Amino acid sequence: DTEVTQTPKHLVMGMTNKKSLKCEQHMGHRAMYWYKQKAKKPPELMFVYSYEKLSINESVPSRFSPECPNSSLLNLHLHALQPEDSALYLCASSPADTVGDQPQHFGDGTRLSIL
Amino acid sequence: DQQVKQNSPSLSVQEGRISILNCDYTNSMFDYFLWYKKYPAEGPTFLISISSIKDKNEDGRFTVFLNKSAKHLSLHIVPSQPGDSAVYFCAASSLDSWGKFQFGAGTQVVVTP
Repeated sequence: DTEVTQTPKHLVMGMTNKKSLKCEQHMGHRAMYWYKQKAKKPPELMFVYSYEKLSINESVPSRFSPECPNSSLLNLHLHALQPEDSALYLCASSPADTVGDQPQHFGDGTRLSIL
Repeated sequence: DQQVKQNSPSLSVQEGRISILNCDYTNSMFDYFLWYKKYPAEGPTFLISISSIKDKNEDGRFTVFLNKSAKHLSLHIVPSQPGDSAVYFCAASSLDSWGKFQFGAGTQVVVTP
């Protein structure tokens, strides 16, 4: 069983809808991440939260809005998405925030389809 | 610009034999490298890592080799088992990168009986 839980597992939405992806971890990790992965491509980093503060934003369009209500939760709010945003969205967490030598623990992802 | 490359999209190996997966990188600032394994419908699972101060790290059937001068790392799985059939991602970062890993495109490994 994965220690990072993502809901929902699948989401189909229209371009005018507003929805949210949720991610939860109870490992006491203080860094959490959102990745986007298209088919046969590597995961691409979108956002990094460290101690509930946004520390990296990889120039992601504003139609993606992350939120970190507390150290265990990370949400990704979606609004006015485009068909090219259809992808697998992966959440990850890691113990440390200031160094890069900690492996990240991934959730199983949310498969998002935009109609 | 892909800084981490896995040039073999797929690999087929017989059960019991050695699987060798390769990964090349271009950024000389990378000093920490990981391998992840991914089954369908699941997220990537951390497998093994190596920092640039080492050239080899071993964990059970899995060994990662790092050749810094060639900017190349490899993952050896021996002996290969049917449960090893999965997609394997190589990832790299620098220690001051705040978890900003660059991933390769993955190699699909199929272990045949």
